[in-house]
Amino acid sequence: SQKIEQNSEALNIQEGKTATLTCNYTNYSPAYLQWYRQDPGRGPVFLLLIRENEKEKRKERLKVTFDTTLKQSLFHITASQPADSATYLCAGGVIWGAGTKLIIKP
Amino acid sequence: ETGVTQSPTHLIKTRGQQVTLRCSSQSGHNTVSWYQQALGQGPQFIFQYYREEENGRGNFPPRFSGLQFPNYSSELNVNALELDDSALYLCASSLDRAGGQLAKNIQYFGAGTRLSVL
Repeated sequence: SQKIEQNSEALNIQEGKTATLTCNYTNYSPAYLQWYRQDPGRGPVFLLLIRENEKEKRKERLKVTFDTTLKQSLFHITASQPADSATYLCAGGVIWGAGTKLIIKP
Repeated sequence: ETGVTQSPTHLIKTRGQQVTLRCSSQSGHNTVSWYQQALGQGPQFIFQYYREEENGRGNFPPRFSGLQFPNYSSELNVNALELDDSALYLCASSLDRAGGQLAKNIQYFGAGTRLSVL
């Protein structure tokens, strides 16, 4: 079945460092991938969309890549801040990953 | 704030009952999608409505049904509630200019309705 997999373990990063989150898809080829941020008790908030023919997309401190050979997207947050602590979700069409919890320590 | 509002915020029901959840879309949006999110999991797609017609459905039984109204607000109805239906139900609205493409566009989510089935 079509799947999106994200690292289920929480990612602990020191403030100021770059956080890198991984999204792998299997059994289908999404034309685009979206990344969302979700805080506890809230709905997901859109961050970035990248199409399969785009290698990289940037928005302020955020960068996302799309590698169709590896069937993978990487999401980077540079100069991370404690306020970046949240769960980050990857979605390809109607298929969503379970999210990775990111914790930025001061 | 996304402009998408959901009601109620919390709901407790017993097994076998029926429930209706409501969603008010962001102004100007013509598409609404519903998701079920269990604790610690990602959203699971239930269905999507484009201009009052269902144009896609996930792997959910027929007891999950919906409506989209002319003002693009929406309802999710669940009949014969089961314990496993306990979850956060999310509504997302979007603007689809191309005509009913499934979950292609940026989605704006409400805060969700937390449903507990006892």
